[in-house]
Amino acid sequence: GAGVSQTPSNKVTEKGKYVELRCDPISGHTALYWYRQSLGQGPEFLIYFQGTGAADDSGLPNDRFFAVRPEGSVSTLKIQRTERGDSAVYLCASSLSSSYNEQFFGPGTRLTVL
Amino acid sequence: KQEVTQIPAALSVPEGENLVLNCSFTDSAIYNLQWFRQDPGKGLTSLLLIQSSQREQTSGRLNASLDKSSGRSTLYIAASQPGDSATYLCAPEYGNKLVFGAGTILRVKS
Repeated sequence: GAGVSQTPSNKVTEKGKYVELRCDPISGHTALYWYRQSLGQGPEFLIYFQGTGAADDSGLPNDRFFAVRPEGSVSTLKIQRTERGDSAVYLCASSLSSSYNEQFFGPGTRLTVL
Repeated sequence: KQEVTQIPAALSVPEGENLVLNCSFTDSAIYNLQWFRQDPGKGLTSLLLIQSSQREQTSGRLNASLDKSSGRSTLYIAASQPGDSATYLCAPEYGNKLVFGAGTILRVKS
């Protein structure tokens, strides 16, 4: 596709459940990023992939959060034992490479934990 | 800790005005700096990227300047239009990680 796509656009789940959020980066982009945005705030960095490997996961809040990118394209953000505080918009971005870093964002997935 | 502050938090102007949005960052060791706009309920649209070695970057009615040593960037919007109404976010980059301010909410009245 022409831009970064994310599915689902909205996800409602119950406290304690497991969720997966998917990101399809721009074709040919080797770098992929996940951010989280709470209401009224700017996005906060979660994790960065260069190819298949997580080059920087320093923003993941705890071990309930995990992300993969097994073939160096699509990425999945996985959240175990969801908590109400996990409710936010999860944004994915991609860039052409790690040396030219203009990041292009997808529309986000709005996660609501009841 | 790397922090980004954007001033003003909100701005309401009549159509046609030129305006300035300010961004300051505490850690000047940036690689690049991006400006984005975000429409309500939408993702971020990249407006401009300034490399750390550049002083400014222009795209249409937008001009962004960067003073890396003093930790400041400014976004200048010329001849504002109602379609410019959105939240504008500044994000310096540190090692592939963007650090965002809370944004400036801009409303341009027709």
